[in-house]
Amino acid sequence: DAMVIQNPRYQVTQFGKPVTLSCSQTLNHNVMYWYQQKSSQAPKLLFHYYDKDFNNEADTPDNFQSRRPNTSFCFLDIRSPGLGDAAMYLCATSKDLIQYFGAGTRLSVL
Amino acid sequence: DAKTTQPPSMDCAEGRAANLPCNHSTISGNEYVYWYRQIHSQGPQYIIHGLKNNETNEMASLIITEDRKSSTLILPHATLRDTAVYYCIVSYGSSASKIIFGSGTRLSIRP
Repeated sequence: DAMVIQNPRYQVTQFGKPVTLSCSQTLNHNVMYWYQQKSSQAPKLLFHYYDKDFNNEADTPDNFQSRRPNTSFCFLDIRSPGLGDAAMYLCATSKDLIQYFGAGTRLSVL
Repeated sequence: DAKTTQPPSMDCAEGRAANLPCNHSTISGNEYVYWYRQIHSQGPQYIIHGLKNNETNEMASLIITEDRKSSTLILPHATLRDTAVYYCIVSYGSSASKIIFGSGTRLSIRP
């Protein structure tokens, strides 16, 4: 059974139209991460939460925001998607030194 | 920036051992070596990690040199399902540690 669940698997949005990607976990882990992975590149960390403490990577654009209303859920908001934001977005949790990844949401921007 | 260096690609015959090298010459004393893999269109999957000693689990073995500046991931009997990008990562061992992915090694298993 999937432990880190990302919905939807595929998302299409229009240039400049806000979009939200969601992630849920059944593991009850304190830490949740969001990564961006562009085609043929390695995943790039955007930010992470330790409980409700938000930690932004220095080079994450302001266009990307996140919310974590409770332990189980975490959202990635892209306020004004550009063509360059088309990518796979990966959510992960961690406990005991190991990260558990979801299957990802592939975002297309038209 | 990633602190590891890996060959961009390797191939291995099915049924043989796949040995994937990784250099991490700037690793600090309390950083662990982690290996993850990513099969096409899936999220990364944890394989194994270690600090100083060699480690083995049901998926693979991890050999870390005595000076800890390099390591090798060994898949003992590679199958076609092991075709993936393999990432070697160094990170501090805490639950909130960040994983910074390098470019990884694309492993192809040939029949």
